[in-house]
Amino acid sequence: DQQVKQNSPSLSVQEGRISILNCDYTNSMFDYFLWYKKYPAEGPTFLISISSIKDKNEDGRFTVFLNKSAKHLSLHIVPSQPGDSAVYFCASRGGSNYKLTFGKGTLLTVNP
Amino acid sequence: GAGVSQSPSNKVTEKGKDVELRCDPISGHTALYWYRQRLGQGLEFLIYFQGNSAPDKSGLPSDRFSAERTGESVSTLTIQRTQQEDSAVYLCASSASYPPAFFGQGTRLTVV
Repeated sequence: DQQVKQNSPSLSVQEGRISILNCDYTNSMFDYFLWYKKYPAEGPTFLISISSIKDKNEDGRFTVFLNKSAKHLSLHIVPSQPGDSAVYFCASRGGSNYKLTFGKGTLLTVNP
Repeated sequence: GAGVSQSPSNKVTEKGKDVELRCDPISGHTALYWYRQRLGQGLEFLIYFQGNSAPDKSGLPSDRFSAERTGESVSTLTIQRTQQEDSAVYLCASSASYPPAFFGQGTRLTVV
């Protein structure tokens, strides 16, 4: 049972345009959501997070949106840069435990 | 380097043998996490250490899996009597607190 789904395995955008990465979850107990970025031959690195009490969190070019009623979150990158090309994972946590449930990832390619 | 270091990077073992996987976290990071990623799946939580205690072991899949951490430093994940379903990339992450911030490159374990 996949509780966190990233339905697009890949996404390609032009440099300077917006990249929108999507993630859906099924567990209504999830209260904290994160995005990680992974370059080839490296481990994932934490990028940005959002608590369920918010619907938006912004950090520079990166903004995460949370739609609790739809159980959907998205990561917006504006403007996209070639260095943003990586695999992006969304992850969710429910309750007070430390377990994160990850999606399978979306490969973003930003073309110059 | 200054990142999370894991060794070995690759391990092939025969079914039934024991294996030890090592993680060197970023210096000063008190929190350490183990995850694994099986082929085609998302990251799966195994265990969380705060210092050398493990407040959350809920992800260890069976009693063949164990982990320990020395002080606030190296951690070892041990899998006894390996099975083919244990084949995966085992990832370690560390951070100053929560969430896991930096992952290592992982150990690719293949059980034949």
